[in-house]
Amino acid sequence: DADVTQTPRNRITKTGKRIMLECSQTKGHDRMYWYRQDPGLGLRLIYYSFDVKDINKGEISDGYSVSRQAQAKFSLSLESAIPNQTALYFCATSDLAGGRYEQFFGPGTRLTVL
Amino acid sequence: GENVEQHPSTLSVQEGDSAVIKCTYSDSASNYFPWYKQELGKRPQLIIDIRSNVGEKKDQRIAVTLNKTAKHFSLHITETQPEDSAVYFCAASSGTYKYIFGTGTRLKVLA
Repeated sequence: DADVTQTPRNRITKTGKRIMLECSQTKGHDRMYWYRQDPGLGLRLIYYSFDVKDINKGEISDGYSVSRQAQAKFSLSLESAIPNQTALYFCATSDLAGGRYEQFFGPGTRLTVL
Repeated sequence: GENVEQHPSTLSVQEGDSAVIKCTYSDSASNYFPWYKQELGKRPQLIIDIRSNVGEKKDQRIAVTLNKTAKHFSLHITETQPEDSAVYFCAASSGTYKYIFGTGTRLKVLA
């Protein structure tokens, strides 16, 4: 089945380290997203990309960067990780199928910054 | 800025009772309203959605209602079962493929 995958699934790192989270999809969707989930705050959009040449900041992009290497790959980087970036990170994809805007989420990456 | 408020943050119901979760959105251009269910340790998954040209949509035990004038939409779950226990998120989109999510409701169905 077509899916959205994320690597790694869990990561523990130290303050100041550079971290990359990777997302791949076999759904053939053009649109990809990165969210972070914190208890009580829901899902907040970090960055989104409508195609390889189109990258947009979301509501909480400070401290993060992204790279859309191909239609199927969208990576999130933390240039210098800090403890308040400890969260559950989700990648998602979507396309306009039958007029629906459904987003399909990956399994998530749990990141802990010590 | 764009905002979606979701209430309540936690909800406990007895098995067989109904559950209602409410959301309010700020962007009047919003025209698509999905609801996602996230079970413990799992990814969010779409359970039902509604477009702004429809006032109500039902799928078995779940239904969503939309009041565009008041900018409110609600999720209704009838005859709740233990497997309905999860976190539920509402979202609003203005058709740009970008969602604004609510903060989530943790539903507990007590056996």
